[in-house]
Amino acid sequence: DVKVTQSSRYLVKRTGEKVFLECVQDMDHENMFWYRQDPGLGLRLIYFSYDVKMKEKGDIPEGYSVSREKKERFSLILESASTNQTSMYLCASRRQGWTEAFFGQGTRLTVV
Amino acid sequence: AQKVTQAQTEISVVEKEDVTLDCVYETRDTTYYLFWYKQPPSGELVFLIRRNSFDEQNEISGRYSWNFQKSTSSFNFTITASQVVDSAVYFCALSEEAGTALIFGKGTTLSVSS
Repeated sequence: DVKVTQSSRYLVKRTGEKVFLECVQDMDHENMFWYRQDPGLGLRLIYFSYDVKMKEKGDIPEGYSVSREKKERFSLILESASTNQTSMYLCASRRQGWTEAFFGQGTRLTVV
Repeated sequence: AQKVTQAQTEISVVEKEDVTLDCVYETRDTTYYLFWYKQPPSGELVFLIRRNSFDEQNEISGRYSWNFQKSTSSFNFTITASQVVDSAVYFCALSEEAGTALIFGKGTTLSVSS
């Protein structure tokens, strides 16, 4: 059974904290993605990675960074959390090709 | 401009009704793929179907069916005899390059009451 696992389902952090969201996939997929989901806005792409140590900005990268040191792991970093980063964060992976993307269960982050 | 438009924000139906979720896309590529995902209250996106741009054949899977029309750039999803368990947010998505990020619509929230 293929899996994308996000380290936390729920997180509460304080404004200004550095926050790490972790994502691991066990399918040996080359491509990994971080999306943010907000009501009425759908899924918006934050960052993606096509290979280890490679990263590309998505549509809304401001305030975020990423790290991919190993093929199976893709981390999203909020350098200094702000209340407008309160959201649902979804990690996905996809094989190089025209296959579907597989998603993790999501992390609901609240910044207070 | 939105590349994937799901004009219906919310739909409410009563069990056993048929319901169609609309999806209109925009792309200049001749090769592309379209997808539908379901997001139940638990939050995880569940893949439903993938369709390539060269295959306009309609597809049926149980109570689900999909109608792909390149002439109108639409990829609509119909649930026949809806059930309460169909209540979820449904997303349509577009892939313009192999392996790249899917481009999602804003989603349609379907509520099915008993």
